[in-house]
Amino acid sequence: SQKIEQNSEALNIQEGKTATLTCNYTNYSPAYLQWYRQDPGRGPVFLLLIRENEKEKRKERLKVTFDTTLKQSLFHITASQPADSATYLCAPTGGGNKLTFGTGTQLKVEL
Amino acid sequence: DGGITQSPKYLFRKEGQNVTLSCEQNLNHDAMYWYRQDPGQGLRLIYYSQIVNDFQKGDIAEGYSVSREKKESFPLTVTSAQKNPTAFYLCASSIIRGEGNQPQHFGDGTRLSIL
Repeated sequence: SQKIEQNSEALNIQEGKTATLTCNYTNYSPAYLQWYRQDPGRGPVFLLLIRENEKEKRKERLKVTFDTTLKQSLFHITASQPADSATYLCAPTGGGNKLTFGTGTQLKVEL
Repeated sequence: DGGITQSPKYLFRKEGQNVTLSCEQNLNHDAMYWYRQDPGQGLRLIYYSQIVNDFQKGDIAEGYSVSREKKESFPLTVTSAQKNPTAFYLCASSIIRGEGNQPQHFGDGTRLSIL
């Protein structure tokens, strides 16, 4: 069955450093991959979408890569700030309107 | 401002009682979704609808029911058949476009607890 893995342990980094979060998937070949941010007690907010034929996508301080050979996406936040602290969810999907989400990785950016 | 409104923010249910969670959107989106989120688990799809008066079961539909009488509204009823209803419930919406996989817009959720 389809499986999505994100680090369950929180990632703690210092302000100004680059945070890198990992999303691995097995037993399927998604054509798209979305990343969302979720703050405590709030709904997820869409950040970026990358297609299987795109190796990398950027938006301001965010960068996403999509390696279909490794079955992995990396999500980078450069020059991280305490305001970036949140849980980040990936959703690799084959298409259509249904999304399947990973469990998310909590990021904590410390001063 | 356009968005999705979920109400109430907190809801308590007694054993054997049905409760209905509200979800309204003014984004003019065709598709709407209900997810359940439990600690340590990803969002799991309960039901979704792509058009008025039509909806499909998601991965964990047992013990839940929905209706889609208006484009803007997609209420979820948690029935007494749902034996473990305590969770954070999220409603989302999206446009429908040919290639699919459109970003979803989420409400701020309803936290349901059993008394």
